[in-house]
Amino acid sequence: QVQLVQSGAEVKKPGASVKVSCKASGYTFTDSYLHWVRQAPGQGLEWMGWINPNSGGARYAQKFQARVTMTRDTSITTAYMELSRLKFDDTAVYYCAKYNSDSYGGWFDPWGQGTLVTVSS
Amino acid sequence: DIQMTQSPSSVSASVGDRVTITCRASQGISTWLAWYQQKPGKAPKLLIHGSSSLQTGVPSRFSGSGSGTDFTLTISSLQPEDFAIYFCQQTDSFPHTFGGGTKVAIK
Repeated sequence: QVQLVQSGAEVKKPGASVKVSCKASGYTFTDSYLHWVRQAPGQGLEWMGWINPNSGGARYAQKFQARVTMTRDTSITTAYMELSRLKFDDTAVYYCAKYNSDSYGGWFDPWGQGTLVTVSS
Repeated sequence: DIQMTQSPSSVSASVGDRVTITCRASQGISTWLAWYQQKPGKAPKLLIHGSSSLQTGVPSRFSGSGSGTDFTLTISSLQPEDFAIYFCQQTDSFPHTFGGGTKVAIK
C-alpha cells in the first residue's frame, strides 16, 4: 500500500536548522509531487510547498521562501524538508503528503504520520 | 492568496444527527476542493476530493457538494467515530490554503 513514513521528533534551539525526512513506498516515487504542511499546537493546517521528485524542482509558500529547502533522494525514495533559522513559533507537527489529481481536483493522500519539531532554548 | 472560510468553527451534535459544514473560497475554485478529517494526535485523513467524490473506503454517510466559491460537507447520520475536526482545502492555485477547521463535538 502507498505509505509515507517520516523521521522522528526533533528538539532544536532558536536559530538552528532542522531536516525532516519522508520515506515513500508502494508507488513510483517520481510519479507524484510531495507536499509539506505544518500544524502548530492546537492550530490549523499551513501549506509550506511542494517538491517534484522527478526533476527535483520545488515551489515554496512565500512565508517560508527564504528559510525552507525541499530536496529528494530518488535512490532511497525519500524527500526532505529543511527549515533554517528556527524561531519559537516554528514549533509544530510537520507532515508530508502525496499529491493526486484528476479532472475535477487535486488532493493529498496519504499523509505521513507527522514529525514534531520543538524549538526551545 | 485564496482565503478559505469554514463555518461553523465548532458544532455540538448527537449520534444520529445530520451535520453540515460549509466552506467558502474568496474566489472561484471550480471543484478543486478537498475535505479532510483529523482526530487528536493523527494526520489528516482524506474524505472527499473534487468537491463531491467520496474517497475509497470512506462511509457513504459523508457527502460533499458545491462549485465555484461555496461548498458543503454533510454527515447524514453522525456516528461516534465521526467526532473530530474537519478541514477544507483548495488546490486550484498556490498556496494550497486550508480552512480554519470545524470541530464536531459530542452534545
